[in-house]
Amino acid sequence: EDKVVQSPLSLVVHEGDTVTLNCSYEVTNFRSLLWYKQEKKAPTFLFMLTSSGIEKKSGRLSSILDKKELSSILNITATQTGDSAIYLCAVAPMEYGNKLVFGAGTILRVKS
Amino acid sequence: GAVVSQHPSRVICKSGTSVKIECRSLDFQATTMFWYRQFPKQSLMLMATSNEGSKATYEQGVEKDKFLINHASLTLSTLTVTSAHPEDSSFYICSAANSGNQPQHFGDGTRLSIL
Repeated sequence: EDKVVQSPLSLVVHEGDTVTLNCSYEVTNFRSLLWYKQEKKAPTFLFMLTSSGIEKKSGRLSSILDKKELSSILNITATQTGDSAIYLCAVAPMEYGNKLVFGAGTILRVKS
Repeated sequence: GAVVSQHPSRVICKSGTSVKIECRSLDFQATTMFWYRQFPKQSLMLMATSNEGSKATYEQGVEKDKFLINHASLTLSTLTVTSAHPEDSSFYICSAANSGNQPQHFGDGTRLSIL
């Protein structure tokens, strides 16, 4: 059975800290891994990773995929209170079309 | 970026009522749309996958007669919760994608409360 595991489940940090969120997966025929940020409404897309070792970056957020270790990390540097959210990792297996397998998410709270 | 519109954002109604939720892709053609349910502090649970012009594929444990899905065009899918009861109260979210290599983009969700 396809599975995505995120850690930690929740995290509290202070503004300015750097955080690393982890995602590991077990899927047959991996296609891509995606990161989403969810605040009060529905998830917003952050990154899609398909190739190992290539970092994707957007402002203070960056992410990288390690296909050998079947994992990915999402880094947030110089955290701000607006980064407080649930961060969801999802994997797209090849044979499912667009269908995603989601992890349970990491709840991040940034204190001022 | 891709925009998906979901309506209504909030519904409060009496037990026994049927509720229809619409999901529209505004700036791309969505070959596939997905319907999720999310309980507080939990991840998204996929309910069904909807392809334009064909019957939806439901996940195990999801009643197709209870949650009717119609995907009549490449830009619109609807989810109807029939004869809703308090246990159907939840946050329902749709998403859309236009090809296997593109990420899903999500609507803003519908918070359904059945009294």
